[in-house]
Amino acid sequence: SQQGEEDPQALSIQEGENATMNCSYKTSINNLQWYRQNSGRGLVHLILIRSNEREKHSGRLRVTLDTSKKSSSLLITASRAADTASYFCATDALSRGYGNKLVFGAGTILRVKS
Amino acid sequence: DTAVSQTPKYLVTQMGNDKSIKCEQNLGHDTMYWYKQDSKKFLKIMFSYNNKELIINETVPNRFSPKSPDKAHLNLHINSLELGDSAVYFCASSQVRPSGYNEQFFGPGTRLTVL
Repeated sequence: SQQGEEDPQALSIQEGENATMNCSYKTSINNLQWYRQNSGRGLVHLILIRSNEREKHSGRLRVTLDTSKKSSSLLITASRAADTASYFCATDALSRGYGNKLVFGAGTILRVKS
Repeated sequence: DTAVSQTPKYLVTQMGNDKSIKCEQNLGHDTMYWYKQDSKKFLKIMFSYNNKELIINETVPNRFSPKSPDKAHLNLHINSLELGDSAVYFCASSQVRPSGYNEQFFGPGTRLTVL
């Protein structure tokens, strides 16, 4: 089964509004990552938060991590039509020193209306 | 310049055929991956190679055989294709870092349709 569960499954907002997506996971992690996938394209890495971090910012993105609740949230502020995409959280639970194994959530489909 | 490239982009074939998908990365990364994304958008890792060595081999039918001729290439060969193999297959790469900051770079995907 998928490690991460995301909600909502779909989100539709107006341009300029904020979008919040949540992700829950089941096992211990080293880090949690968020990726964006535009329709018909590959995934693009957005931001990584380590297990000992609680909040991280990157431009209009803000990610929080609560390891006690095994959950994370991604906030996109002042959304734009170009933010329309699917957003996936991915947990990295293994650290073998030979690369990482990402386990992806089901994704949130974000639609920003202009 | 394309960082992670895959060929072909689309692949339509009959059940029972054998096909290959190729992946190349020019990022100098030491680790490459194959993922499968089904029709519900679930993305699941299949294989991972580090410096041409198989590191991760998830529960994947042995009809799927990855091959890494060098650390810049990871190909996926599929024998006796079945209807359930229809999906989008993504290649990715990353560089192992002591810091643990290990973002993965994805290719554009290969949409496989088995008829």
